[in-house]
Amino acid sequence: GAVVSQHPSRVICKSGTSVKIECRSLDFQATTMFWYRQFPKKSLMLMATSNEGSKATYEQGVEKDKFLINHASLTLSTLTVTSAHPEDSSFYICSAPPRHNQETQYFGPGTRLLVL
Amino acid sequence: KQEVTQIPAALSVPEGENLVLNCSFTDSAIYNLQWFRQDPGKGLTSLLLIQSSQREQTSGRLNASLDKSSGRSTLYIAASQPGDSATYLCAVKDDYKLSFGAGTTVTVRA
Repeated sequence: GAVVSQHPSRVICKSGTSVKIECRSLDFQATTMFWYRQFPKKSLMLMATSNEGSKATYEQGVEKDKFLINHASLTLSTLTVTSAHPEDSSFYICSAPPRHNQETQYFGPGTRLLVL
Repeated sequence: KQEVTQIPAALSVPEGENLVLNCSFTDSAIYNLQWFRQDPGKGLTSLLLIQSSQREQTSGRLNASLDKSSGRSTLYIAASQPGDSATYLCAVKDDYKLSFGAGTTVTVRA
């Protein structure tokens, strides 16, 4: 099946630093990728929709200057958490529907961010 | 705004017992509903996808039903095994995005 990877899988950083998370579709092209955030024992919350070659679309309540998204190619989207604070600690998951089949979404393995 | 609820939040059963997981959603104008499995600290694996025009889908020991008018879906797992222990999430697709429930964490005791 289709594979989506995320890097890093886990990151610990100091408060005030910026952290970049990569999401790659390994064997298919994706014009759209989705970024989710998951708190313990809670739902996945959609943060933003990443669009290749154009600006990301952010969900209500998500700060676009805080969570910078870049979708530079058909296989790579990045999420940068700028000036991270402890409340940004969470599990971040990306997903991507193949360009040829928007019905299906493949999810990455997630990135655990801990901000000290 | 779509709200997705899963009951129960946690479930523990002995091996061999059948599992019944429930999902309800508030807005019936959906394109499809998916059930996912999530292992601790991992991403999501899609189990079953039911289109809005369908009433059920089956894959091996898994069967999912959908009653769109009442906003409900049920995932049945027959003859549970310890390897079925995981968190099961349902998600509905309306317009462009997926809305997720908080999941049911299943423990199958050997």
